Amino acid sequence: GDSVTQMEGPVTLSEEAFLTINCTYTATGYPSLFWYVQYPGEGLQLLLKATKADDKGSNKGFEATYRKETTSFHLEKGSVQVSDSAVYFCALLKAAGNKLTFGGGTRVLVKP
Amino acid sequence: EAGVVQSPRYKIIEKKQPVAFWCNPISGHNTLYWYLQNLGQGPELLIRYENEEAVDDSQLPKDRFSAERLKGVDSTLKIQPAELGDSAVYLCASSLEGGGNYEQYFGPGTRLTVT
Repeated sequence: GDSVTQMEGPVTLSEEAFLTINCTYTATGYPSLFWYVQYPGEGLQLLLKATKADDKGSNKGFEATYRKETTSFHLEKGSVQVSDSAVYFCALLKAAGNKLTFGGGTRVLVKP
Repeated sequence: EAGVVQSPRYKIIEKKQPVAFWCNPISGHNTLYWYLQNLGQGPELLIRYENEEAVDDSQLPKDRFSAERLKGVDSTLKIQPAELGDSAVYLCASSLEGGGNYEQYFGPGTRLTVT
């Protein structure tokens, strides 16, 4: 079946450091790919998405490129802030059934 | 615009007791989802509704879990009886499907602790 694997956390960084969170997936067909973020005490929020190969999703300084050849969708941000501290989830969606399959989440802690 | 509303936010019960969670989706959203999120893991779909119809309940443990979405708006998820392993966060999400838009909007969740 479909699955998403992302790097385990926690990832601890200093403010203004570069952030990368690796995500790879296994799926048949052509899924859409997403990054969701969960701030403390809040629900999941869509951070960015890409719907086809080579698409780049971007939002709030975060970027991820849909790489079909490596089945990856790594999340990057060039300069993190304390406010970026959260749990980040990579997910894929197959149009048939509209079912999101999530990775296990990566906790990021940014220290001042 | 109000987001997805869930209540209660926290619930502590003893095992074998019943419990119910309520979800009010974003106005106009025809599709509603219930997810289970165990500690340190990603959410897993329990059930998906399109309007009043449960179109995917393959992951719902039907011996103890039940759900309903009367009138195609609010939804209730029930567990009876609860077991220790049911301790988790129960997330509700909604979406407006059509035109290729599949973005799901999540509520804050209900954290259930079964003692």
